[in-house]
Amino acid sequence: AQKITQTQPGMFVQEKEAVTLDCTYDTSDPSYGLFWYKQPSSGEMIFLIYQGSYDQQNATEGRYSLNFQKARKSANLVISASQLGDSAMYFCAMSSDSSYKLIFGSGTRLLVRP
Amino acid sequence: DSGVTQTPKHLITATGQRVTLRCSPRSGDLSVYWYQQSLDQGLQFLIHYYNGEERAKGNILERFSAQQFPDLHSELNLSSLELGDSALYFCASSTNRLAGNTGELFFGEGSRLTVL
Repeated sequence: AQKITQTQPGMFVQEKEAVTLDCTYDTSDPSYGLFWYKQPSSGEMIFLIYQGSYDQQNATEGRYSLNFQKARKSANLVISASQLGDSAMYFCAMSSDSSYKLIFGSGTRLLVRP
Repeated sequence: DSGVTQTPKHLITATGQRVTLRCSPRSGDLSVYWYQQSLDQGLQFLIHYYNGEERAKGNILERFSAQQFPDLHSELNLSSLELGDSALYFCASSTNRLAGNTGELFFGEGSRLTVL
């Protein structure tokens, strides 16, 4: 069975600083994908970044990077130079060849302080 | 704008009633997923359709049913509604092009259901 764990219910970060949101996963499938989504207070789900299990390099998208440590089964999201607009819920998610679905972690609420 | 359209955006109804939520996926996407998000909780996978066929089922109650039509739009039917069914229901579509058999999901804005 696949499982996604986010152990930080809430986090604070000072504006312009970097922050790391933790995500660990469990799967026995050799091929899988890891995703991060942002959910602002308005409710919509916004895709941020993707990492494939066979990708050699860590994924980056602008200020977002995914710190993928396959042996440790972790896929932490790093947000650099935090902005006030980064305040939101962040969800880690995983899919795999056998699952035909995306499963989500419980989320981390990030609050950026001015 | 993700390209996924969900209607209605808000719905208020009474216990015991039945509602239908509608989703139009992004142009070209064959996969449609339904998720339920209760207050301050994560997203619970309900069901996945690919090109009209059910592909995966999650913790979907027997009172709930879904289908995907030939034009690829999907409907989620919720019947005999209970207070606990109040939630944000998301539809998402994908191209199924990435590792792990699922592309990135593009979410609609959700349908917020309130059962009184």
